[in-house]
Amino acid sequence: DAGVIQSPRHEVTEMGQEVTLRCKPISGHDYLFWYRQTMMRGLELLIYFNNNVPIDDSGMPEDRFSAKMPNASFSTLKIQPSEPRDSAVYFCASRDRGPYGYTFGSGTRLTVV
Amino acid sequence: AQTVTQSQPEMSVQEAETVTLSCTYDTSESDYYLFWYKQPPSRQMILVIRQEAYKQQNATENRFSVNFQKAAKSFSLKISDSQLGDAAMYFCAYRPPVYNQGGKLIFGQGTELSVKP
Repeated sequence: DAGVIQSPRHEVTEMGQEVTLRCKPISGHDYLFWYRQTMMRGLELLIYFNNNVPIDDSGMPEDRFSAKMPNASFSTLKIQPSEPRDSAVYFCASRDRGPYGYTFGSGTRLTVV
Repeated sequence: AQTVTQSQPEMSVQEAETVTLSCTYDTSESDYYLFWYKQPPSRQMILVIRQEAYKQQNATENRFSVNFQKAAKSFSLKISDSQLGDAAMYFCAYRPPVYNQGGKLIFGQGTELSVKP
């Protein structure tokens, strides 16, 4: 298994542009999580899905952020319009129903200038 | 609310020596899981060790071991025979049962470990 795959690895965009981050979870994993990592706030959960259904999006900072999971093998996190304060590393993680099993992707470093 | 606290923003250890990273957490749950993750400069989150709260025995993975004190809600990581490759940011994480917010991971703020040759 190739693990959790995120793309792109780096993204630099101008303020006001739309940004889409992508994630392919591990096959068979029921849960998918999006985390954001910043120096100020550390690792914070944005949203998670169970069986492709969004369960808790209370961590999504603003309406500019949206996430979808159209099928079990793909999820996106979209920011529209992007702002400099959105600059961070965004991680996707998936796990199965078992007690452990979190696997993280390599993250996307987003820079909004 | 469940919280995880790492009180040591930075730690340093001499190569081949032992270092202990501290972590405390707050929860009203009796059944949960605890983890230590390592994040090197590559930023990949790597699972170092995990502990089930119902197990009294402390987890061990090669040079890494934990001291789990359930009553004190303490979960420290001990790294023995430190190596240069151990230099990284270390995160303590708590995971409630699945019925509680899907069992999402809650992270501490991290401890930056440097290893001196």
